[in-house]
Amino acid sequence: NAGVTQTPKFQVLKTGQSMTLQCAQDMNHNSMYWYRQDPGMGLRLIYYSASEGTTDKGEVPNGYNVSRLNKREFSLRLESAAPSQTSVYFCASSTKAHWDSRYSGNTIYFGEGSWLTVV
Amino acid sequence: QQQVKQSPQSLIVQKGGISIINCAYENTAFDYFPWYQQFPGKGPALLIAIRPDVSEKKEGRFTISFNKSAKQFSLHIMDSQPGDSATYFCAAQDSNYQLIWGAGTKLIIKP
Repeated sequence: NAGVTQTPKFQVLKTGQSMTLQCAQDMNHNSMYWYRQDPGMGLRLIYYSASEGTTDKGEVPNGYNVSRLNKREFSLRLESAAPSQTSVYFCASSTKAHWDSRYSGNTIYFGEGSWLTVV
Repeated sequence: QQQVKQSPQSLIVQKGGISIINCAYENTAFDYFPWYQQFPGKGPALLIAIRPDVSEKKEGRFTISFNKSAKQFSLHIMDSQPGDSATYFCAAQDSNYQLIWGAGTKLIIKP
């Protein structure tokens, strides 16, 4: 059971280079996310996709683009990398747990992370 | 209005002690409050969660205490073990099912 798989695990880029982070989930989830994690700043949402064919900006979308290729795959592209984009990137997918008619909770499943350094 | 404030940023607890991490929120429309646990080199994973209609949720050594009137919730880890050393994130779910995250607490359990 792979869950959420993201590649590459580690990458070093030069300023101005482009790259794409790949992500795939095998849990048949509708929603997928890209987060970045920086020390002392927690998890910040870059983009998310509520369903196949839709994408929306999160808290920190500048400098990034995304593609929801199909229900399984959600990629993140850095068009012109900058040192400020040095971070750990997490792809995630989610499903809802319903307790009753009033409450349901969004459970997010994360990949293992991609460590990106821009020099 | 959308923030979740988490404290402390880091915490050191002796083995066998109680670890307590606190979170506060402003938006009364939040309706689901999970805690995630992240080990070094891994992604966060759901640890325990609570709905706002209950004041406490316990799973093994982990307990969430929820105070709706104060808009605060906390994670208590009883009999803390070195294997509990991790970063813990609280979160709150808004009306669009988006999770608003706390900044995280790095917990170290000393043997």
